[in-house]
Amino acid sequence: KQEVTQIPAALSVPEGENLVLNCSFTDSAIYNLQWFRQDPGKGLTSLLLIQSSQREQTSGRLNASLDKSSGRSTLYIAASQPGDSATYLCAVLNTDKLIFGTGTRLQVFP
Amino acid sequence: DAGVIQSPRHEVTEMGQEVTLRCKPISGHNSLFWYRQTMMRGLELLIYFNNNVPIDDSGMPEDRFSAKMPNASFSTLKIQPSEPRDSAVYFCASSLGGSPLFGQGTRLTVV
Repeated sequence: KQEVTQIPAALSVPEGENLVLNCSFTDSAIYNLQWFRQDPGKGLTSLLLIQSSQREQTSGRLNASLDKSSGRSTLYIAASQPGDSATYLCAVLNTDKLIFGTGTRLQVFP
Repeated sequence: DAGVIQSPRHEVTEMGQEVTLRCKPISGHNSLFWYRQTMMRGLELLIYFNNNVPIDDSGMPEDRFSAKMPNASFSTLKIQPSEPRDSAVYFCASSLGGSPLFGQGTRLTVV
């Protein structure tokens, strides 16, 4: 059974810091891995999707890497801003099912 | 396309009452998923359908929960009778072979 874990569970940093959020999964037989953002009381916004054959994806200040053999992914946020405050979720696609991690709650203060 | 549409957005009900959550997937998508999100357990997959047929309902917590997909454009998740511990945000998502796209969720509060 696929299990997805995220570390840390919560993070509070001053504006401008570079951040690394971690995601690990137990079953490497995945089709892809996706990072989502969720604002309080809102739905899920997809940030980056990495196919199983890829090593990383970049979008603006966000960079996500994938090491399928070790079951790990990282989300790197450069020059963090207060607007980045949200919960970040990683999810892996196993056959048809998207299995979510436990999430990292990020707060960036001015 | 308007995306995955869920209704209602918020539901408050008394313990013991029947609750029905509704979902309209994206037109053309052939897979539909119901997820539940709580503070304690995060996002959990409850059930998913492919071509209107339930494929995996192993995440459905107990017999009080049931889901149907009578056609390709509509699905329901029913809780009968509801209990306070069912309070959560319920998300519906749909896909066509790739990663699912999510609705805005239904926030259920059972008092």
